[in-house]
Amino acid sequence: NAGVTQTPKFQVLKTGQSMTLQCAQDMNHNSMYWYRQDPGMGLRLIYYSASEGTTDKGEVPNGYNVSRLNKREFSLRLESAAPSQTSVYFCASILGQGLVQYFGPGTRLTVT
Amino acid sequence: DAKTTQPPSMDCAEGRAANLPCNHSTISGNEYVYWYRQIHSQGPQYIIHGLKNNETNEMASLIITEDRKSSTLILPHATLRDTAVYYCIVRTRSNDYKLSFGAGTTVTVRA
Repeated sequence: NAGVTQTPKFQVLKTGQSMTLQCAQDMNHNSMYWYRQDPGMGLRLIYYSASEGTTDKGEVPNGYNVSRLNKREFSLRLESAAPSQTSVYFCASILGQGLVQYFGPGTRLTVT
Repeated sequence: DAKTTQPPSMDCAEGRAANLPCNHSTISGNEYVYWYRQIHSQGPQYIIHGLKNNETNEMASLIITEDRKSSTLILPHATLRDTAVYYCIVRTRSNDYKLSFGAGTTVTVRA
């Protein structure tokens, strides 16, 4: 049981390049989330998926797209990376109503 | 969701209890208090949560005042590995489970 896994762990992109951050959970959780954390700041919600087949915007969705591929996987795509998207990205999942949210180890993204 | 207020930082001696306060004066009756922590460069880690009764698990204890307007997270015997940012979050239990993380309290455990 690996919990929540994220790939890659580190990535450097040039402005304008695109990439997809992958997240998978093996806990049979229904809901999955993408957060970003800028240096010295708290986490901000980008997008979430309450259940398979649904996605919704969070606080800071601009510049991102998501896909809930199946119950296990939730990907985050940057179509045209910008330096303002330099951040650490965390994926999280939760089983159902109000239970504990589990986080992945993070992806550290630098856009130059 | 109710807003929370935490001190920005605090120090604690290794082996002593660390008491982390959180104010949530606008909490409503169906909102729970959750505590998470984030050790440097890692993903946030769940610690404990409660509604109105005090709670204890293998990591910590949560003391909620009778009027529920504030709470205290207690790390009974702090170690150097407890150095982290601690977040107090108040929200309802629902399928639309979005955690709002504030700035938290940076706890430094000193030898």
